[in-house]
Amino acid sequence: DAGITQSPRHKVTETGTPVTLRCHQTENHRYMYWYRQDPGHGLRLIHYSYGVKDTDKGEVSDGYSVSRSKTEDFLLTLESATSSQTSVYFCAISVLLTGRGSYEQYFGPGTRLTVT
Amino acid sequence: SQELEQSPQSLIVQEGKNLTINCTSSKTLYGLYWYKQKYGEGLIFLMMLQKGGEEKSHEKITAKLDEKKQQSSLHITASQPSHAGIYLCGAYITGNQFYFGTGTSLTVIP
Repeated sequence: DAGITQSPRHKVTETGTPVTLRCHQTENHRYMYWYRQDPGHGLRLIHYSYGVKDTDKGEVSDGYSVSRSKTEDFLLTLESATSSQTSVYFCAISVLLTGRGSYEQYFGPGTRLTVT
Repeated sequence: SQELEQSPQSLIVQEGKNLTINCTSSKTLYGLYWYKQKYGEGLIFLMMLQKGGEEKSHEKITAKLDEKKQQSSLHITASQPSHAGIYLCGAYITGNQFYFGTGTSLTVIP
């Protein structure tokens, strides 16, 4: 599992409340990603990070912000949660395959978020 | 628009049958990844293809990347109930953004 944990694993919150999801890795990998998974849409990239304080938007970034103040932690924040943000959120890291010049992605266990 | 299209979207097969899932891109793929996800769980990495024409096998699952590096196929031989789940292809297409395919749901009937 490449040492990736997510917290919380499940959360129910009300519309309009702020929510922060945490992704933690233990192996100092540079690239980290946040995805959401919804029926009919598959996995979609929200934001990604290529180093401490270096982040960029993905395909569905509206309504989300991220922060990475330490290599090991990548935080996803919903400033004001909406029902459309009910989803399963996955964090991932990219691991450079030595000698291959390519990356392999490993995923966390996911966080199930319900916004009522 | 979806960067990676998978077909079929859903597949129901009898145990023991062979099946193929396709993943197609309109752009060159820089590394094509296949994952499996059991319902309600996280993703499991299956294999990665990098070179055009490359083929890899793991147990009864074989994946190929075509010469032009714009399509990949995943073939399961003699399917078993343990193969059931959602299969996703993924690839780096532009910059550091990783895209997933639309997913294929596989059901294997004993």
